[in-house]
Amino acid sequence: EAQVTQNPRYLITVTGKKLTVTCSQNMNHEYMSWYRQDPGLGLRQIYYSMNVEVTDKGDVPEGYKVSRKEKRNFPLILESPSPNQTSLYFCASSPGLAGGRAGETQYFGPGTRLLVL
Amino acid sequence: QKEVEQDPGPLSVPEGAIVSLNCTYSNSAFQYFMWYRQYSRKGPELLMYTYSSGNKEDGRFTAQVDKSSKYISLFIRDSQPSDSATYLCAMREGAQKLVFGQGTRLTINP
Repeated sequence: EAQVTQNPRYLITVTGKKLTVTCSQNMNHEYMSWYRQDPGLGLRQIYYSMNVEVTDKGDVPEGYKVSRKEKRNFPLILESPSPNQTSLYFCASSPGLAGGRAGETQYFGPGTRLLVL
Repeated sequence: QKEVEQDPGPLSVPEGAIVSLNCTYSNSAFQYFMWYRQYSRKGPELLMYTYSSGNKEDGRFTAQVDKSSKYISLFIRDSQPSDSATYLCAMREGAQKLVFGQGTRLTINP
């Protein structure tokens, strides 16, 4: 089954304790992205990756890191989490950004709900 | 001013009603326009996709893009309780990143 998986689904942590949220896709997609979703603000892009070893900042990259060492995995790293990073996080992947329906069909993971105390 | 504005609702309508969801945007270079549907506790899923201006119909759903007014709409005919979800508009310019609206929470009452 084609899917994007995220782990963990729920996480409660404390300020300053490094954490990693994993994301994996089994569709051989080139493009992967991380978003955070907050009430009233919608989905905001944190980082994205056009392919292996190619990553770039989105709209709200501060406090986050990513890496893309393999095509299927795109982990999100919070080196020193703070309470303002409490949010719902989504990983997404798509075949690319060349346009056309295939490029627009971003497949989203189930989400990771993070609470930073 | 946000690049994409969407009324967050909530919007509540009776079953069978026609629903109209809208977004306005400021970047005239946007070319690709999408509507995503997000059920509670799930990730968004692509519902409709339109390139440039015009209408696109898929079953009970119709997407409209008016680039001259920088306005896009999603119409849902014969709305069903299963249509209850948050609807997010999204758009992008060329190969750039997607920009999402805030999402409109829709409830269809039986």
